[in-house]
Amino acid sequence: GENVEQHPSTLSVQEGDSAVIKCTYSDSASNYFPWYKQELGKRPQLIIDIRSNVGEKKDQRIAVTLNKTAKHFSLHITETQPEDSAVYFCAASWGSARQLTFGSGTQLTVLP
Amino acid sequence: ETGVTQSPTHLIKTRGQQVTLRCSSQSGHNTVSWYQQALGQGPQFIFQYYREEENGRGNFPPRFSGLQFPNYSSELNVNALELDDSALYLCASSQAGVRTDTQYFGPGTRLTVL
Repeated sequence: GENVEQHPSTLSVQEGDSAVIKCTYSDSASNYFPWYKQELGKRPQLIIDIRSNVGEKKDQRIAVTLNKTAKHFSLHITETQPEDSAVYFCAASWGSARQLTFGSGTQLTVLP
Repeated sequence: ETGVTQSPTHLIKTRGQQVTLRCSSQSGHNTVSWYQQALGQGPQFIFQYYREEENGRGNFPPRFSGLQFPNYSSELNVNALELDDSALYLCASSQAGVRTDTQYFGPGTRLTVL
């Protein structure tokens, strides 16, 4: 099966700075990589995703990059705001059911 | 917010009991996946239902079972509850085909087993 590793487990940044979260995956057949934001007590919310035929995708302050050769992908948040504080999960889609295997999460804290 | 709903919100059971959790998929979605999220961890795939049949299963024992109904809603049943089953149970809906893996989560059911 797929294995996804995520780093760092915690990340603190000053408001306005950038934040980067990195993930690696093991199954070269995986071709879809979503990122979810989960606030305390709430559902995981899909914030951006990328498919393997694309190297980079951007949506306002959020961007994701994918390196298929190295099997790693990263989330970049620019101009961070306190409301960006949450746990972020990366995931990779694999298998006949296209199930998601998640990383262990990154607790992002944006300090005002 | 997604259109995925789950019930109940919270549930407390004792060891050995059975539980049924429910999920209504987002309009236009015909596939439901269930995940277990232990405290401080990422969600883990339990199984997926498509066309009222199990379409894939993660590393969970047979006492975890499910159903999907003609309106695409789904149930997760857990028999012989164990303390380690305490977790947030999330369902996610998607549209089968090219976008099966684009999954939108419901708010979850928090299950506590005493």
